[in-house]
Amino acid sequence: EPEVTQTPSHQVTQMGQEVILRCVPISNHLYFYWYRQILGQKVEFLVSFYNNEISEKSEIFDDQFSVERPDGSNFTLKIRSTKLEDSAMYFCAGGQDYNEQFFGPGTRLTVL
Amino acid sequence: GESVGLHLPTLSVQEGDNSIINCAYSNSASDYFIWYKQESGKGPQFIIDIRSNMDKRQGQRVTVLLNKTVKHLSLQIAATQPGDSAVYFCAEKYGNNRLAFGKGNQVVVIP
Repeated sequence: EPEVTQTPSHQVTQMGQEVILRCVPISNHLYFYWYRQILGQKVEFLVSFYNNEISEKSEIFDDQFSVERPDGSNFTLKIRSTKLEDSAMYFCAGGQDYNEQFFGPGTRLTVL
Repeated sequence: GESVGLHLPTLSVQEGDNSIINCAYSNSASDYFIWYKQESGKGPQFIIDIRSNMDKRQGQRVTVLLNKTVKHLSLQIAATQPGDSAVYFCAEKYGNNRLAFGKGNQVVVIP
């Protein structure tokens, strides 16, 4: 059964550096999402993406964040200048319709 | 803001018994709900969903009940197995399609 995949599984970066987190959704997915989960806390919505544009974003998703689906398969989350508080698990999710959301295994981002 | 380190309610259940996990949701306009299971170090795994025009839905060994009057959702797991040990989150959908997750319930299955 196809699954959403994410790379890398763990990313360590220095504060102020840019990071790009990558996701490969299932091929028939049309809706894409990024969520994050700070250690020990709830999963929080960041952004949803449909038809090559952002459809909704949360207050967390400020100007430091951007998303792209450059080649019709990969879905990326870029953080331009990482802060310590960006350390979290970042989950990509995808779905065929606007309801379903299947999650990837996550990327653990550690900002030092 | 939220405190660091969420203390999760924990349900300890004997293997083979039934489990019931409860969730209160916040937005009366939410029209779709999902239960997810999260094992340590992994992403949330879809278990079962229910739309707001239903009050019960059954899957394989799982049943979700929705009470819109009191904004309450429950997940029943029949014949709980060791592999069911995980954190269980309810999530509600509102807005375009963002999911708002609950705090989670830890289920520990005792062999």
